[in-house]
Amino acid sequence: QVQLVESGGGLVKPGGSLRLSCAASGFSFSDFYMGWVRRAPGKGLEWVSDISTNSKNRNYVDFAKGRFTISRDNAKNSVYLQMNSLRADDTALYYCAKAASRLFITDWGQGILVTVSS
Amino acid sequence: DIVMTQSPATLSVSPGEGVTLSCRASQSVRTNLAWYQQKPGQAPRLLIYGPSTRATGIPARFSGSGSGTEFTLTISSLQSEDFAVYYCQQYNDWPPGFGPGTKVEIK
Repeated sequence: QVQLVESGGGLVKPGGSLRLSCAASGFSFSDFYMGWVRRAPGKGLEWVSDISTNSKNRNYVDFAKGRFTISRDNAKNSVYLQMNSLRADDTALYYCAKAASRLFITDWGQGILVTVSS
Repeated sequence: DIVMTQSPATLSVSPGEGVTLSCRASQSVRTNLAWYQQKPGQAPRLLIYGPSTRATGIPARFSGSGSGTEFTLTISSLQSEDFAVYYCQQYNDWPPGFGPGTKVEIK
């Protein structure tokens, strides 16, 4: 079955960086869009970024533009989210997501916590 | 960006009862609407997309309908495992956006 396992979260100071990783298994990774969705404490789900199968298309919501970079390695069945210039309001549970081509999410990871605090 | 709203914010229901959850989009999303269920401490789970196609393994008591700006998720007879938060998501326009959720709690 599909498994998405996130890693790389933790506590970081404002202005710092983190790189989230997601290891995928149980499906043909290179055939699917992948993405990241987050949920901040007490808030709802929020799309962060997505990447096409061949990495040619990468999309970011406004708060992520210029600070976050999504990438993937199809040989390693992995997707990444490099997060720079982190702010307190980036504190959230970040989910790795396997998406259908129309960008609804068919499978979710368990989530990885990112806490930005001094 | 398309804004998604859901109503009500909370529903108190007894097991065995049926419920209807509403989702509205600020502009037409045609039929590009999905529903997810999230239980505490768990990842969300895809229930329905398109907006009436059940995902693999989803019981028939879950059904979705609607098009344009108005959508509903109906659970015909609530089981104990159905008490959760339900989110709708449009995927017609980028960025894909989620509603704020409806919490279905035990009465």
